[in-house]
Amino acid sequence: QKEVEQDPGPLSVPEGAIVSLNCTYSNSAFQYFMWYRQYSRKGPELLMYTYSSGNKEDGRFTAQVDKSSKYISLFIRDSQPSDSATYLCAMSAGNAGNMLTFGGGTRLMVKP
Amino acid sequence: EPEVTQTPSHQVTQMGQEVILRCVPISNHLYFYWYRQILGQKVEFLVSFYNNEISEKSEIFDDQFSVERPDGSNFTLKIRSTKLEDSAMYFCASSEGHNTGELFFGEGSRLTVL
Repeated sequence: QKEVEQDPGPLSVPEGAIVSLNCTYSNSAFQYFMWYRQYSRKGPELLMYTYSSGNKEDGRFTAQVDKSSKYISLFIRDSQPSDSATYLCAMSAGNAGNMLTFGGGTRLMVKP
Repeated sequence: EPEVTQTPSHQVTQMGQEVILRCVPISNHLYFYWYRQILGQKVEFLVSFYNNEISEKSEIFDDQFSVERPDGSNFTLKIRSTKLEDSAMYFCASSEGHNTGELFFGEGSRLTVL
């Protein structure tokens, strides 16, 4: 079983749609959960950062963590064409020098 | 907005040559990292660095690799005797805190080994 799994997509939605992106993981030691956005051939850009379980909202983005199910989600409201990118989930156990374990990324396309 | 900067953006080298990739982390950050992403694959951890020492390293980070902070601003990754399979995007990252996961990445250096 892969440590972090993410549907590669592509996920195609119309502008204005609500987007749901998800990751599952197997390592119960993960405590810190991040979502990064990566445009083609660019570096990952930190979007959301959460610790342990619960929800966190920032503008159009909401991150949810359910540690009991080992499942995390990122919701994007009122999606825009500029949101078109690959979304990477990443996780850390918090005791290994910030060694992040990444998912493979979901490619999102928002069509005007 | 502060950012992590990396040079070169793209380097082409012959197999067996040595390359040095350079990074300038965010100025008030104390923890530095290298990750790599082979085309079409996941971003993978290589090494973390703090107080002029390696904190953690992955299995990928073998004797072929080394890191250094030669002065107060630069952070370098040296790859000796490059192999075809070293072709990848190499990302530098930095963070304020340790063991939090909140990393800020540079744009990457694309290494092509021929």
